[in-house]
Amino acid sequence: DAGVTQSPTHLIKTRGQQVTLRCSPKSGHDTVSWYQQALGQGPQFIFQYYEEEERQRGNFPDRFSGHQFPNYSSELNVNALLLGDSALYLCASSPESRVMSYEQYFGPGTRLTVT
Amino acid sequence: GIQVEQSPPDLILQEGANSTLRCNFSDSVNNLQWFHQNPWGQLINLFYIPSGTKQNGRLSATTVATERYSLLYISSSQTTDSGVYFCAALDNYGQNFVFGPGTRLSVLP
Repeated sequence: DAGVTQSPTHLIKTRGQQVTLRCSPKSGHDTVSWYQQALGQGPQFIFQYYEEEERQRGNFPDRFSGHQFPNYSSELNVNALLLGDSALYLCASSPESRVMSYEQYFGPGTRLTVT
Repeated sequence: GIQVEQSPPDLILQEGANSTLRCNFSDSVNNLQWFHQNPWGQLINLFYIPSGTKQNGRLSATTVATERYSLLYISSSQTTDSGVYFCAALDNYGQNFVFGPGTRLSVLP
């Protein structure tokens, strides 16, 4: 049973560029959430996708956007990259969409460095 | 939104020692999870425990929802237990899954 997978593992971008990160949920899960983890801090919730729609959103600017595909996989897009966007980006999946009360499972993350 | 605090922020143990990590949350919760983050960043699920007590090998956890805290117990610690332990909670409004700042555990041989 494949767990949550993310790609790429590492990424280096220049300030002002755009980046796309990808996530495939655990088998049987239909809900995907994205988190940003800055160095030395706990992960912060960005947004959640279910049925190809954004259902919940944390306190992140519109530069952060996402997409969910019919096969439940998801992308996180960040435009106009800032140095402060350098972080570990984590994807989590769960089997329920309406609330996040079900156990969440995390992928290995994508480490983004903005120079 | 819900606030999540963890203590202690750092913990250093000798191999074989026991420890207790604490997580306090500011509101009623629908979901509470404990994770171990390894040095490569992977968050490993330890417990899904919005209430009650669970055990898994040398680890156990207790959540007292009415008093808004959860405890993670590690017995007979091993060097492989080193890393950062996070608790995360979802309040009853279901708006946000909030992580605490973590407890960094170092187990020395």
